[in-house]
Amino acid sequence: GQQLNQSPQSMFIQEGEDVSMNCTSSSIFNTWLWYKQDPGEGPVLLIALYKAGELTSNGRLTAQFGITRKDSFLNISASIPSDVGIYFCAGQLGRAGGTSYGKLTFGQGTILTVHP
Amino acid sequence: EAQVTQNPRYLITVTGKKLTVTCSQNMNHEYMSWYRQDPGLGLRQIYYSMNVEVTDKGDVPEGYKVSRKEKRNFPLILESPSPNQTSLYFCASSPLVTRSEQFFGPGTRLTVL
Repeated sequence: GQQLNQSPQSMFIQEGEDVSMNCTSSSIFNTWLWYKQDPGEGPVLLIALYKAGELTSNGRLTAQFGITRKDSFLNISASIPSDVGIYFCAGQLGRAGGTSYGKLTFGQGTILTVHP
Repeated sequence: EAQVTQNPRYLITVTGKKLTVTCSQNMNHEYMSWYRQDPGLGLRQIYYSMNVEVTDKGDVPEGYKVSRKEKRNFPLILESPSPNQTSLYFCASSPLVTRSEQFFGPGTRLTVL
């Protein structure tokens, strides 16, 4: 199936630092998403991107849908301890009526640790 | 409260003993999906359903079955579990029009001995 390469695999940062992570694919996607998973819980949607080149913010989080439709990045500014968790990118290829319409492909995740 | 519930949350079983993990959502969502999460591999989609009686394979469907007889429920069935199915399983749902913006359940940790 589709593969997403997410980097870095893990990050150890000091509180207040900015964070950047990205996701690349060998195939194009029509939708890019970023989810966060807190320890012991299910992932929660942070940002959804639907158009190539789109730049969207959600508080201290900013994400972009790459112009080639094969990549996306997520930035977190001024990190705080509650930013700790696993961040996943996800991509959706399918168009209505297509065979992949319901498929969602996730990256391997970036484990973020924030030191106070 | 809008939510996706899964039962059981933890299960230890033995190879070959059929089991079912239930998933239920109270948001009237058309789309539901099952994922497994393994270290270093992220989440991988097992099966999804875009409406009642409509199911499709994800990327790792082997060894699993699903059914969608009612809109709110989407059980995951392991007819003959094997140790390589030891994993953390998540159910998710969303409206069909925003099928990528999924709400996830709390997870079921399955160990097959």
